[in-house]
Formats: sequence, structure tokens, C-alpha cells
Amino acid sequence: GENVEQHPSTLSVQEGDSAVIKCTYSDSASNYFPWYKQELGKRPQLIIDIRSNVGEKKDQRIAVTLNKTAKHFSLHITETQPEDSAVYFCAASSGTRFGAGTRLTVKP
Amino acid sequence: ETGVTQSPTHLIKTRGQQVTLRCSSQSGHNTVSWYQQALGQGPQFIFQYYREEENGRGNFPPRFSGLQFPNYSSELNVNALELDDSALYLCASNLLTLDTQYFGPGTRLTVL
Repeated sequence: GENVEQHPSTLSVQEGDSAVIKCTYSDSASNYFPWYKQELGKRPQLIIDIRSNVGEKKDQRIAVTLNKTAKHFSLHITETQPEDSAVYFCAASSGTRFGAGTRLTVKP
Repeated sequence: ETGVTQSPTHLIKTRGQQVTLRCSSQSGHNTVSWYQQALGQGPQFIFQYYREEENGRGNFPPRFSGLQFPNYSSELNVNALELDDSALYLCASNLLTLDTQYFGPGTRLTVL
């Protein structure tokens, strides 16, 4: 089955800096790659997604890039704010196989 | 809020018992997926239902089973509970398989 690896497991940045989280996947048939933000005690919330026919997508401070040849995709958050602090998950294989998560801390 | 609801919110069971968790999807969403999320880990895919038929399954034993009903509700049943089954159970619904999933708030199951 699909194997999704996510790095780093923890990430600490200063407010205003950029944060990058990377994921790799194993199934070349994967065609949908969402990213979720999960705050403590809450449900995962979709923040951005990308489909396999697109290489990059941007939504304000958040962007995702996809390299199908290398089977990896990345989340980029610019101008980070303390409220960006949460656990972020990537997913592949029609969005049902999740990475282990990255705990992002943005220091004021 | 996503329009996806789950019940109960919390549940405590003992090892060997059986449990049924319920999910109500957004109206019109004929795809529902169930996940197990252990503390500090990512959601693990249990299975997906599309129009009341199982449409994919993760690496979970047969004692994890499900049902989906025509009224956009679904159930996750777990038999012979084990201590390791303690986790947050999430359901998520979407209109199409490659469409955005909307998660419910989850049911936290504790097995003693």
C-alpha cells in the first residue's frame, strides 16, 4: 500500500519567517495531495490541496509544490504568525494516506 | 464547521467488548472514510464507503467493519476491543473520491 513520509516531525520558526514541510509518497498512481492543519483537540482542516496535473498552487501565504517524477510534495508557509502553530499533515493516494505530521511552533 | 457530525463524543469500553461509532455526513456526500488517530500520530485510513459499498480498506483486521446508509449516515463497528484500539476515530465525507474531505469532530474511544 501507499507509504507517506513527512519531514520534519517538529519545526520551530520565528514569527515572520518561512516554514517548509516535505512529504514523499510511494504509489505513482497517487493523484490527490491535500494538506491539513490540526489544532489541539480539534478536527483536521484542509488548508490547501493539489492534484497531479498541477505542479504548484498558491493561496495567500500558503503554497504547495508537487514533483510527480520524484514523488514528493511540499508545503510552504510564508510570513508565519503565532496562529499558524499547529500540527500539519500531508496526505496522498486520493487523500486517504496521511503522513505522521509536523508540529509547527511559531515564536512571537 | 464542516456539517459532519459524530456520536458519541467520548466512550469508555473494556477489553473484549464491542463498540459502534456513528457519523452523519454532509447532505449529498456519498463517500465516507473512517480513520483512527492515535495520540501524536497521523490519521490511519480504516476504510471508505461509496454509495453503501466498501470502496477501499487500510491495514486493519476484519474486526473493524462498517456500514453506510442511504441517508448519508454511517457506522464503524469494532469487535473484540483491544487496549491499542484506544484512539480518536474520525469520519470524513466528500462528494467525489478526489474531492475535499470534510472531517467530523471525532469520537475518543478509551479501552480499559
